[in-house]
This record gives sequence, structure tokens and C-alpha cells, in this order.
Amino acid sequence: QKEVEQNSGPLSVPEGAIASLNCTYSDRGSQSFFWYRQYSGKSPELIMSIYSNGDKEDGRFTAQLNKASQYVSLLIRDSQPSDSATYLCAVDNTDKLIFGTGTRLQVFP
Amino acid sequence: NAGVTQTPKFRILKIGQSMTLQCAQDMNHNYMYWYRQDPGMGLKLIYYSVGAGITDKGEVPNGYNVSRSTTEDFPLRLELAAPSQTSVYFCASSYSNPGGTGELFFGEGSRLTVL
Repeated sequence: QKEVEQNSGPLSVPEGAIASLNCTYSDRGSQSFFWYRQYSGKSPELIMSIYSNGDKEDGRFTAQLNKASQYVSLLIRDSQPSDSATYLCAVDNTDKLIFGTGTRLQVFP
Repeated sequence: NAGVTQTPKFRILKIGQSMTLQCAQDMNHNYMYWYRQDPGMGLKLIYYSVGAGITDKGEVPNGYNVSRSTTEDFPLRLELAAPSQTSVYFCASSYSNPGGTGELFFGEGSRLTVL
């Protein structure tokens, strides 16, 4: 069974701080990695993708990938209360995405 | 453009009843998926389809069935409902293998309670 693991949280950070979200995966054959954001009661939406080792930045978001350690992370700089949501890590697995359990992020003023 | 449409949005079932969750997309997407999300948890894949006439099991297929007779529709059938099937069900679609762009288009979800 291919697995994707995340700390369920909640992760609480003050406004303006950096939030760090982590994800590990079991399938060494996975090539593509994604972060989805899900607000309470809503559907998930894609916010970041990363395919090669290293960092990928998009605005306040940075995704980091280390395939040797089977580790993916998402950094959110200058966290805002509007970033409060559940962040789901997803990994490709032959025609489908396998999701982690999600980390709930709370950003307090 | 409607995107991915799920019906019903809410449903209460009695133990042992059966029902079908409907999912339709108007984006001509080949790939379609059913996920379930239990409270405070992530998404678990139930079934998926890479095109009309082709379906395959995901992580948690027991107690469910699917069919894909057209590109647009991907209904999920629950047989003999059990309290363990109480969950929010999401249908999603993608034009091609989501391992490429990773972008799944999700419906709004169907909240099912089995009592």
C-alpha cells in the first residue's frame, strides 16, 4: 500500500511567521508531488507542484523536495489568517494521486 | 461552465439502504475519480477511471461500485449502506494523467450520513 504521511496538527503560527508543513511518502517510484489547500467545508484546490529535487517558489509559498529522503515540504512565508486551512500533500501513483491525511494550519493575529 | 457537478449534496441513509451518487463533468476530461474524506482526515481513493468503459479500484473500494459508460458521467453506487460509509464524497476529474500537472478539478462534495 503506497502511503503518504503528514502530521495532522493543528499547527498554530502567529501572523507574519513562517509556517512549515511536512510530508513523507513511501513509493520511491513517485515522480510528481503536489500541495492542495482545503478550506473548511470546501473542496481541495491545487496550490503548488514540484517534480525535481530542490526548492520551487511561488509568491509566499515554497515547495521543497528531497527524493533521497522521500520528503516534501511546504513553507508559507508571512503567514496570514486567510492561510488558515488544511494542507494536503499528494503524490502521483500511476494515473492517480494519493493524498496524505492533511495538516491543519491555524494562523492567529 | 459548470465544471464537476455532484448530486445530491446531502443525504441521510438508513443502514442497509442503497443509493447512487452522481458525478458529471463538462470539460471533456478522460480521468475521473471518487474520493472519500472522513472528519479531520485526508482523501482516500475509492475508484477511478481513465476513460469511458475503464474503471479500477483505489485504496478503499469495498462496499462501492462504479461504472463509466460515457466520458461525462461517473456514478458511484453504495450497496447495503453501513455507518462506516458516513463521509464526504468528492468526485474529481483531470484531462490527462494527474501525475503531469497534478491538477484535479473537484466537485463540491456530497455529505452522506448512514444511521
